[in-house]
Amino acid sequence: DIQMTQSPASLSVSVGETVTITCRASENIYSNLAWYQQKQGKSPQLLVYAATNLADGVPSRFSGSGSGTQYSLKINSLQSEDFGSYYCQHFWGTPYTFGGGTKLEIK
Amino acid sequence: EVQLVESGGGLVKPGGSLKLSCAASGFTFSDYYMYWVRQTPEKRLEWVATISDGGSYTYYPDSVKGRFTISRDNAKNNLYLQMSSLKSEDTAMYYCAREGLRRGVLGYWGQGTTLTVSS
Repeated sequence: DIQMTQSPASLSVSVGETVTITCRASENIYSNLAWYQQKQGKSPQLLVYAATNLADGVPSRFSGSGSGTQYSLKINSLQSEDFGSYYCQHFWGTPYTFGGGTKLEIK
Repeated sequence: EVQLVESGGGLVKPGGSLKLSCAASGFTFSDYYMYWVRQTPEKRLEWVATISDGGSYTYYPDSVKGRFTISRDNAKNNLYLQMSSLKSEDTAMYYCAREGLRRGVLGYWGQGTTLTVSS
């Protein structure tokens, strides 16, 4: 199975800051990577698919990058509504696996 | 608007069985692969099952293979997950999800239904 290692596990940040979350796959996943946002008490929502493509309605302050085994999610000028947890997931064949998550907290 | 509404969760004893349902609306259900994903109490996300649009193909991780069965009724726009031989480690929030723009991308999620396996 492909292991997804996400870092950091948590991050305390202020509104307006820029944040980068990274995800490393245990083997090449050829950009078959998605990012999800989960707010407290809600279900996850798709943010980015195929490493760089924003899902419908996702603000342009979010961006995804990476290739091979290394991927990143960047959030420019963090807004209050961006606080919550973020997960990466590979979809390069089954079993699909997720990173352990990154919890963004308000500083 | 895409809507996915799960139901059927509850408290089950180890070794027991339960069937989850997911009612879909707002899209042509029979056009999409569907998924079950669970989130453990530790907040870890785990893919549980996939079913093809027509229902002919199903996929599972080893952790649930042989114990869980995903199915669908395209006439009723319903997705199901039959779970048996339940273990404490199956305790989780179970989400149904609709495929996004790529196979394996979880484009839309329901609100979830909770399963607790405990004696």
